[in-house]
Amino acid sequence: DIQMTQSPSSLSASVGDRVTITCRASQGISKYLAWYQQNPGKVPKLLIYAASTLQSGVPSRFSGSGSGTDFTLTISSLQPEDVATYYCQKYNSAPFTFGPGTKVDIK
Amino acid sequence: EVQLLESGGGLVQPGGSLRLSCAASGFSFNTYAMSWVRQAPGKGLEWVSVISDNGGSTYYADSVKGRFTISRDNSNNTLYLQMNSLRADDTAVYYCAKGRSGIAAAAINYWGQGTLVTVSS
Repeated sequence: DIQMTQSPSSLSASVGDRVTITCRASQGISKYLAWYQQNPGKVPKLLIYAASTLQSGVPSRFSGSGSGTDFTLTISSLQPEDVATYYCQKYNSAPFTFGPGTKVDIK
Repeated sequence: EVQLLESGGGLVQPGGSLRLSCAASGFSFNTYAMSWVRQAPGKGLEWVSVISDNGGSTYYADSVKGRFTISRDNSNNTLYLQMNSLRADDTAVYYCAKGRSGIAAAAINYWGQGTLVTVSS
């Protein structure tokens, strides 16, 4: 099975900072990758699918890139409401594994 | 408005069984794949199972294969997860989730609020 890894596992940044989270698949998954945000105590929310397509209603400060094995989620200007854990998920074929998550907080 | 309402969680002894249900509304249930995703206390998300729009394709995580069965009733807009031979490490909040399309290979665009399953003696 394809394994998903994320880095870093956690980060602390200031409001307004540019934040980048990386997700790596152990084998190529084309662009079948989604990013989710889970605010503390809340249900996960889809941010990006197909590696780079922004889900409707998601602020444009979020963007995704990559294909194959290496993917990136970027928050162009971190806001207080972005404090959350971010997960990537592969969905090219089963099992549709999630990454371990990256916890983002405000410095 | 899409609504997914899970039920059926609770406390069960190791080796026992539970059936989770998810009542869906606000969309054409029979045209979207549906999934179950779980989250153990303080842990990350774990994909459990998915079923295609017509129920013709089902997939499972290795951790639940042979013990859990996903199914759907498109006439009643309801998703199910039959869980047998439950173990302590199945303890988690179980989320019902809607896919972006009818095929299993799709991102999840809506999540229910979750139902807690606790496996303990």
